This record gives sequence, structure tokens and C-alpha cells, in this order.
Amino acid sequence: DAGVIQSPRHEVTEMGQEVTLRCKPISGHNSLFWYRQTMMRGLELLIYFNNNVPIDDSGMPEDRFSAKMPNASFSTLKIQPSEPRDSAVYFCASSPQVSREGYTFGSGTRLTVV
Amino acid sequence: SQQGEEDPQALSIQEGENATMNCSYKTSINNLQWYRQNSGRGLVHLILIRSNEREKHSGRLRVTLDTSKKSSSLLITASRAADTASYFCATAVNQAGTALIFGKGTTLSVSS
Repeated sequence: DAGVIQSPRHEVTEMGQEVTLRCKPISGHNSLFWYRQTMMRGLELLIYFNNNVPIDDSGMPEDRFSAKMPNASFSTLKIQPSEPRDSAVYFCASSPQVSREGYTFGSGTRLTVV
Repeated sequence: SQQGEEDPQALSIQEGENATMNCSYKTSINNLQWYRQNSGRGLVHLILIRSNEREKHSGRLRVTLDTSKKSSSLLITASRAADTASYFCATAVNQAGTALIFGKGTTLSVSS
């Protein structure tokens, strides 16, 4: 398996633009997670899905953020409109279960909003 | 909210020395996991220890868990320059359906 695949690896966008981050989890993993990493706040859970259904989105900062998982092999995280404070590394991870096994992380998307 | 806190924040050692990192947490857990992150990369799962286990080994890694003190330690023996990375503990709280909560990590630097 190629692991968790995220795209793009880097994204630079202007404030106010829409940004879409993409993730392909490991086949057979039932849980998918979106985390955001910054120096100040560390790794924060944004949202996670179980069997394609959003379970906990309490970490999503505000209505500008939305996430979807239309099928078991694809998820998106969208920010509209983007702001400079959204600059961070966004990680997608997948796991066979929510927290009873280890997570496999993607390489991340480094987002810079100018 | 931060469940796990690693200590120290940064650690510098020489190759061949042992490195010990600690993690404290606040609420009861089902398991605790350790991850490594090399600069500019994603996190890699190292080891998982369940709440009914006290010690676990994997190669040069040794993890202990003390649920009475709500703490865990990660020991890397005979460190190598390639061990240079950030190390994170993550806790799975004892509540069904709750995702892992990560600490802020310990940055380990191993010089040759």
C-alpha cells in the first residue's frame, strides 16, 4: 500500500481564496482524521470520520472550514475564505479503528495564506 | 484541551547515549501511543501500550506506563543520529469514539 496520500504537498494562496486539501486513506481503514499542526498550538484534531460519516467536528475552527468524505477512498478539507491565521501544516491520517490502533499519517499539506 | 504533555521540550545527547522522554496525561485512558516526526514529514507510529500493560519493548525502544501517576516514558537506547526527530505521545481516552489527543512533543537531537 502507498500509505495515506495527501495533495497538494504545498499550497500558497492569497487571503480570501478558497483552498481544498485532499486525502486518500489506506484501503480498509475505517477511520479518517484531519489534524492541523502549528508551532503555537501543536497538533489539533479538526474532524474525524468513521465509515465515511463525520463523528466529531468540534475541532473545526469556524464555519469557513468544511470537510467531506464522499466515499471510503477520498476526503477533502476546504477553507473558504482563507485567512493568514490558517497557515499551518494539515495532516490526514487513517486507522482501522478510532483509537484502539495506531494511526498512519500522510506527509501533510503545508498551507501558506498571504 | 491538551491531554498529554511531554517533558523535556528539547533534549540533546551524543550518539550511543540513551534518551528518555516523559509524558503526563490528565484523564483515564484506554491506551497511550508514541509517534516520531522527522522534520517536514508526517508522524510515524512507534508503539502502543494499553492501560493494563506496564512495559513494552520494540527494538531499541522501551515504553513504560504508570496509570496511577498518569505518566509514560519512552526510552531510546544506544541512540543514533538518525533518531533525531520530534517525539509525541498520544492518548486514547476511555471514552468510546474519541480520537487520539497529541501532546506538543519532545525534540530530540542526537549528535555524532
